Amino acid sequence: GNSVTQMEGPVTLSEEAFLTINCTYTATGYPSLFWYVQYPGEGLQLLLKATKADDKGSNKGFEATYRKETTSFHLEKGSVQVSDSAVYFCALNPNSGGSNYKLTFGKGTLLTVNP
Amino acid sequence: SQTIHQWPATLVQPVGSPLSLECTVEGTSNPNLYWYRQAAGRGLQLLFYSVGIGQISSEVPQNLSASRPQDRQFILSSKKLLLSDSGFYLCAWSATIGLAGVWNEQFFGPGTRLTVL
Repeated sequence: GNSVTQMEGPVTLSEEAFLTINCTYTATGYPSLFWYVQYPGEGLQLLLKATKADDKGSNKGFEATYRKETTSFHLEKGSVQVSDSAVYFCALNPNSGGSNYKLTFGKGTLLTVNP
Repeated sequence: SQTIHQWPATLVQPVGSPLSLECTVEGTSNPNLYWYRQAAGRGLQLLFYSVGIGQISSEVPQNLSASRPQDRQFILSSKKLLLSDSGFYLCAWSATIGLAGVWNEQFFGPGTRLTVL
């Protein structure tokens, strides 16, 4: 079946530090990959996506590259801010068969950025 | 542009009472609709999804039910709440599968915080 594994954290960084949140996946075929962000007390927001191998999604200084050879989609940001403190979810859509309607989510990674 | 609404934002209910949470989407037609629950911790649990009016798929057997009386309206209900129903309930939508360029990214509402006492 399809699955997403991401580092559960929590991750605590100082402002302006480099961020990496690892995400690996298991899926047949050619899934689409997503990162979502959830700020405290709010719903999830789509942060970025990649729909084919070697695609790089980017938004708000965050980046992630779809690596089919390592089945990974790691989230990176060069310099985090206090306002980036949130929970980050990696997700995939299998793009195949009857599972197209459902995303598979990782368990989420809590990021805390201290001033 | 599309927007998604949920209400109420917060709800405190006694055990055994009924529940009705509502979700509506604006600015799109024939969306796929989803109900998730986020209990203690951070994980998301898909409860129900719907690909059309009156079409509901249940992912987890429980005392909750869902209905879709109109194209852009999705309702989550219970006849008798349990303590374990407490959590953060999220509604989401995605565009119709099969359209060119659609990759089933889902867009979430602001959520309803339910506390069952």
